[in-house]
Amino acid sequence: AQKITQTQPGMFVQEKEAVTLDCTYDTSDQSYGLFWYKQPSSGEMIFLIYQGSYDEQNATEGRYSLNFQKARKSANLVISASQLGDSAMYFCAMREEWNDMRFGAGTRLTVKP
Amino acid sequence: GAGVSQSPSNKVTEKGKDVELRCDPISGHTALYWYRQSLGQGLEFLIYFQGNSAPDKSGLPSDRFSAERTGGSVSTLTIQRTQQEDSAVYLCASSLAREKWDYGYTFGSGTRLTVV
Repeated sequence: AQKITQTQPGMFVQEKEAVTLDCTYDTSDQSYGLFWYKQPSSGEMIFLIYQGSYDEQNATEGRYSLNFQKARKSANLVISASQLGDSAMYFCAMREEWNDMRFGAGTRLTVKP
Repeated sequence: GAGVSQSPSNKVTEKGKDVELRCDPISGHTALYWYRQSLGQGLEFLIYFQGNSAPDKSGLPSDRFSAERTGGSVSTLTIQRTQQEDSAVYLCASSLAREKWDYGYTFGSGTRLTVV
């Protein structure tokens, strides 16, 4: 069964605007972590942000924030003030206790000048 | 080391040849993973090592693929008799053990394999 769903294969955003990348997940565990990774054209997977299932506050890292809605099992990534260098593939992932990390199919973000 | 190191970064090989891809994980990370990513696609799990335990090979696509991890550290992924469909980026990641659900993976920069 698909654990991580990213419904947007591709997204476009104008430079300096904010963009939200959607991610929903499926788990019956109480303890789990949610992660977002960025993959530029160079191919490397870069860790962006983490949200724990017990965290009450939404995670933020600079221009990245995670809109965590636990009851809806949603963990959307918000990028504020988009830059041209934000153009990349973005993967949402979840790790449950005693399980390996599961990745979504990814969303390709293109920032337009 | 400070990060996960993979070598070579690029490899072009002729169809039918064997290739070896190397991954040097972060010191202290007991878990090591290999993934394959075809052009424009998501991550395909290949194999998982945890310490000195028997590896989880459930993701290996055929018996031409094998991997080993020596001394709980460096890992080598071997592809025998390469085929054109093996062309992809091979990513290695390391992490703490599976029970550490709040700890993410650190990825290497990948090996881009091209079979001609």
